[in-house]
Amino acid sequence: KAGVTQTPRYLIKTRGQQVTLSCSPISGHRSVSWYQQTPGQGLQFLFEYFSETQRNKGNFPGRFSGRQFSNSRSEMNVSTLELGDSALYLCASSSLSTGRTSTDTQYFGPGTRLTVL
Amino acid sequence: AQSVTQLGSHVSVSEGALVLLRCNYSSSVPPYLFWYVQYPNQGLQLLLKYTSAATLVKGINGFEAEFKKSETSFHLTKPSAHMSDAAEYFCAVSGLAGRRALTFGSGTRLQVQP
Repeated sequence: KAGVTQTPRYLIKTRGQQVTLSCSPISGHRSVSWYQQTPGQGLQFLFEYFSETQRNKGNFPGRFSGRQFSNSRSEMNVSTLELGDSALYLCASSSLSTGRTSTDTQYFGPGTRLTVL
Repeated sequence: AQSVTQLGSHVSVSEGALVLLRCNYSSSVPPYLFWYVQYPNQGLQLLLKYTSAATLVKGINGFEAEFKKSETSFHLTKPSAHMSDAAEYFCAVSGLAGRRALTFGSGTRLQVQP
């Protein structure tokens, strides 16, 4: 099975612009989560989608948004980019196949490296 | 209080030596603990997870971790380090506030000296 894919892998934007990142989960996985990784704040949860619905959201401003399509692919959008948004954005998918969803493994993609100038 | 705390941001060992990466969790967190590894310019790969079954969990690449409730620890070990083990390792917990989202420790960078 193909793993989680993220496009693009690298992106350079300037302050004030907006950006859209894409994530294709593992085939059959219906849950997609997004995380931000920075040297200062580490790995932080952004949001989770399941069946096209946002299930949970982390502590990020409203400039960060996402959506999920009927084929489980997901996009996240960051508007009015700030220098501090420079980060590695990781997408993870899971199948939610077990009843105890907190134990489901999340499989991560390679990430999109966003640089804001 | 941090949900998971990784002691030591950098650990250096010699090839063939024991690897011990420390993770302590808050006693209030659900017992769903994970170890992930991140190689340069890559995403996270699951090494192992604890889900309230056996307290000694075996993972990939020869790694294992033991859940010790009395010490609130979930340390990662490998008997003999390989050069290919050089990477960053993250301890994480799931299920906080009923959410599946992973909450990560700050990470430990493992260096393996020849």
